[in-house]
Amino acid sequence: KQEVTQIPAALSVPEGENLVLNCSFTDSAIYNLQWFRQDPGKGLTSLLLIQSSQREQTSGRLNASLDKSSGRSTLYIAASQPGDSATYLCAVHYSGGGADGLTFGKGTHLIIQP
Amino acid sequence: DTGVSQNPRHKITKRGQNVTFRCDPISEHNRLYWYRQTLGQGPEFLTYFQNEAQLEKSRLLSDRFSAERPKGSFSTLEIQRTEQGDSAMYLCASSLDPGPYEQYFGPGTRLTVT
Repeated sequence: KQEVTQIPAALSVPEGENLVLNCSFTDSAIYNLQWFRQDPGKGLTSLLLIQSSQREQTSGRLNASLDKSSGRSTLYIAASQPGDSATYLCAVHYSGGGADGLTFGKGTHLIIQP
Repeated sequence: DTGVSQNPRHKITKRGQNVTFRCDPISEHNRLYWYRQTLGQGPEFLTYFQNEAQLEKSRLLSDRFSAERPKGSFSTLEIQRTEQGDSAMYLCASSLDPGPYEQYFGPGTRLTVT
C-alpha cells in the first residue's frame, strides 16, 4: 500500500525561527510531490510542487526538497511568522497503475508563537 | 478567474436523505478530482475526471456515491441514503493535462449527517 507519513504531527515554535517539516513516502515511483497549507475549516492552498526530476523548489521563505531514492521530502520555512500557523500537508502523485489521485499524509499542525 | 468554487459550503442533512454537491473548476482545467477529509486526517482520493470521462474511482466510493461531469466543466457529487459515517469535508480540485498536474483545491463542502 502506498503511504505518506509526516513528522512531527505537531510543532510549536517562537516567531522568527527557521523550521523543517518532514514527509516520507513508501514508493519511489512518483510523478510529483506537492506541499499544501490548510487553515482550520478551509480548503487547501498549494505551496510548492516538485516534479520527480527535480531536487528542490523555492517560493519566498519556503524551500522544498525531494529525495526519491530515500523516499523523503522536507519543507523548510525561514524566519517563521505567526501567519504561518496552519496545518501543512504533503501529497504524492504516484506514477503508473492509473493512480492519478494524490496520496496525502496526515499533516503537521504548526503553531508560531508571537 | 477566481479559482475552484464549491457549493454549498455547508450541508446538514438527516440520515437516509440524498445530497448533491457542486464543483466548478478553474476554467481551463480539464482534470477534476473529488476528495473526502475527516477530522485530523489528510484528504482521501475518491474519483477524477478527464474532461467528461470518469477515469478512476477509489474503493472508498461506495455504490451510494455517484459523480458526474456532463459537459466537461462543472461536476456534481451525489450521496444517496446518507449515513452518519458520510459526515466529512468534501473537497474538489482541478488541474491541467498535460502535466505537471499541479492540483488546486476549492474551499470544500462540510457535510454533517444527523
